[in-house]
Amino acid sequence: QVKLQQWGAGLLKPSETLSLTCAVYGGTFNDYYWNWIRQPPGEGLEWIAEINHRGSTNYNPSLKSRVTVSVDTSKNQFSLRLKSVTAADTAVYYCARGGAVMAPDSWGQGTLVTVSS
Amino acid sequence: ETVLTQSPGTLSLSPGERATLSCRASQNVSSTYLAWYQQRPGQAPRLLIYGASIRATDIPDRFSGSGSGTDFTLSVSRLEPEDFALYYCHQYERSRTFGQGTKVGIK
Repeated sequence: QVKLQQWGAGLLKPSETLSLTCAVYGGTFNDYYWNWIRQPPGEGLEWIAEINHRGSTNYNPSLKSRVTVSVDTSKNQFSLRLKSVTAADTAVYYCARGGAVMAPDSWGQGTLVTVSS
Repeated sequence: ETVLTQSPGTLSLSPGERATLSCRASQNVSSTYLAWYQQRPGQAPRLLIYGASIRATDIPDRFSGSGSGTDFTLSVSRLEPEDFALYYCHQYERSRTFGQGTKVGIK
């Protein structure tokens, strides 16, 4: 039974960098892609990026210029950095387990990140 | 980018009724790469269906998925109280995109 637990700063000012980390407990870390997905308040889901244990990444083209994802296999953790945030980046951010041909099937609890001056 | 358009935006039904949700893609999506999620208020999405028609672990058999090409459907045969929620389709063939969601509300 896999469990994803995420954390990070919940309140940012415009132009700051969002930073979130997700720890994976249980399961086989190396067999999957690890995803970040966000959901603005009252809106739908937006996929941000994914990374595997080798550091191979895929990004949403609309966010690629501002996003960096990284992985720490020694801790079974992966991280998201989103630079130059604006109010439009206010959302609940989720980490999730997926795969190259696999829909995300296990999700973290979500972190509300609010961008406000 | 593959755009997924879900309809209707809102479905108002009574418990015990059948729900039929549609997801239309802007270009062909292989059935292998189409999923459906349920999201209840304050919760993370829950995977219901992947590969267009395969139920995920522990998903009741009242949920079924079908479709191919650009048109996909999620059906709930008899709505239970806990099924009133938001539903999203998701394609993971070309990058990853989600539909805008269908809300199944109580009539």
